[in-house]
Amino acid sequence: GAGVSQTPSNKVTEKGKYVELRCDPISGHTALYWYRQSLGQGPEFLIYFQGTGAADDSGLPNDRFFAVRPEGSVSTLKIQRTERGDSAVYLCASSLSGSEETQYFGPGTRLLVL
Amino acid sequence: GEDVEQSLFLSVREGDSSVINCTYTDSSSTYLYWYKQEPGAGLQLLTYIFSNMDMKQDQRLTVLLNKKDKHLSLRIADTQTGDSAIYFCASGGGKLIFGQGTELSVKP
Repeated sequence: GAGVSQTPSNKVTEKGKYVELRCDPISGHTALYWYRQSLGQGPEFLIYFQGTGAADDSGLPNDRFFAVRPEGSVSTLKIQRTERGDSAVYLCASSLSGSEETQYFGPGTRLLVL
Repeated sequence: GEDVEQSLFLSVREGDSSVINCTYTDSSSTYLYWYKQEPGAGLQLLTYIFSNMDMKQDQRLTVLLNKKDKHLSLRIADTQTGDSAIYFCASGGGKLIFGQGTELSVKP
């Protein structure tokens, strides 16, 4: 079936605004992950969902960042009061059942905060 | 915290072998991964190795794991210009820890 999809592919916003980034995992995958990749760096873990619940949110940088997965499929990453330092590529990945399973990545959402 | 280190750049001639090296600190990882990222694209899983294996071969790719030294390498045989990309090593389960990436440049 289809791979992981993310929308939008690009998002430009102004400092202080609120943004939502969406991830559609591979059908049947119960685990979903969000990472952030700054220019010239490797991806950094943000949060991991197993089903509807956040199994590990230790990578969220502060309380401006929040993610949900209400029905155990699609997930939304929400960023409040965006700052210029939030500019990065936000990557989503899914795996069949979590923990040790191989993660498959989407193309990412490139966020630019002006 | 856990860390993964890679050299930043590697340049090879087309047809040569490429070897990309990685060291990691998380000794509890069950699997170790290699991902490839082309410009403007997401991460493509290349291969992975189970932590109790020393070597895994998959067509042109050979992964070597030295668990004692926490050293992982990826060898690409007969490197092609289409192999030019950034290669990331990653450790962990659930929460993956990535290296900074090695930019491979293949010259014709």
